[in-house]
Amino acid sequence: AAGVIQSPRHLIKEKRETATLKCYPIPRHDTVYWYQQGPGQDPQFLISFYEKMQSDKGSIPDRFSAQQFSDYHSELNMSSLELGDSALYFCASSLFRDGYTFGSGTRLTVV
Amino acid sequence: TQLLEQSPQFLSIQEGENLTVYCNSSSVFSSLQWYRQEPGEGPVLLVTVVTGGEVKKLKRLTFQFGDARKDSSLHITAAQTGDTGLYLCAGESDTGNQFYFGTGTSLTVIP
Repeated sequence: AAGVIQSPRHLIKEKRETATLKCYPIPRHDTVYWYQQGPGQDPQFLISFYEKMQSDKGSIPDRFSAQQFSDYHSELNMSSLELGDSALYFCASSLFRDGYTFGSGTRLTVV
Repeated sequence: TQLLEQSPQFLSIQEGENLTVYCNSSSVFSSLQWYRQEPGEGPVLLVTVVTGGEVKKLKRLTFQFGDARKDSSLHITAAQTGDTGLYLCAGESDTGNQFYFGTGTSLTVIP
């Protein structure tokens, strides 16, 4: 069965650079969520999209933005990167508010 | 403010022993989920509980949702080394647009 695909799996950026993370949800899933998980931390909700419209916003910094495209894939854009942005970034998708299916994540390292 | 507190935070037991992980909140959730996460991977959904007092069993795992839908427990019988991982509970927000994750319980089963 198709899963949630995230790319890239690993990303190394320097401070003040920008990064774009991509997420391809499970086909026919109507909601996409982005989470940030720091080392030893639980996942923190960033933002979600329902049918390509932003539906909820969590602790997403103003330096970050996200969108969902017509093909339902989503991108998380991160600018002016800081060392503290180093984390695992997970995308998840769901249908009708059922359980999430998480992707394998993108490990971002800011140096 | 952490909506969901899990206990214990760390647990190390011998193979064959039983254990219980608790997930507590002062908030009421419309549903609650349990996930298991391997290092560097996304959380994998184990179960969703919806009704207060609900009990679900998944092989050696027993999940219970509190009567008031504020807390939940995960009981593992005869733990195996393959049960090692990070266990996360997550409560569904009122809007259903996000899940709030608990603080996590890191379980290590020693052979």
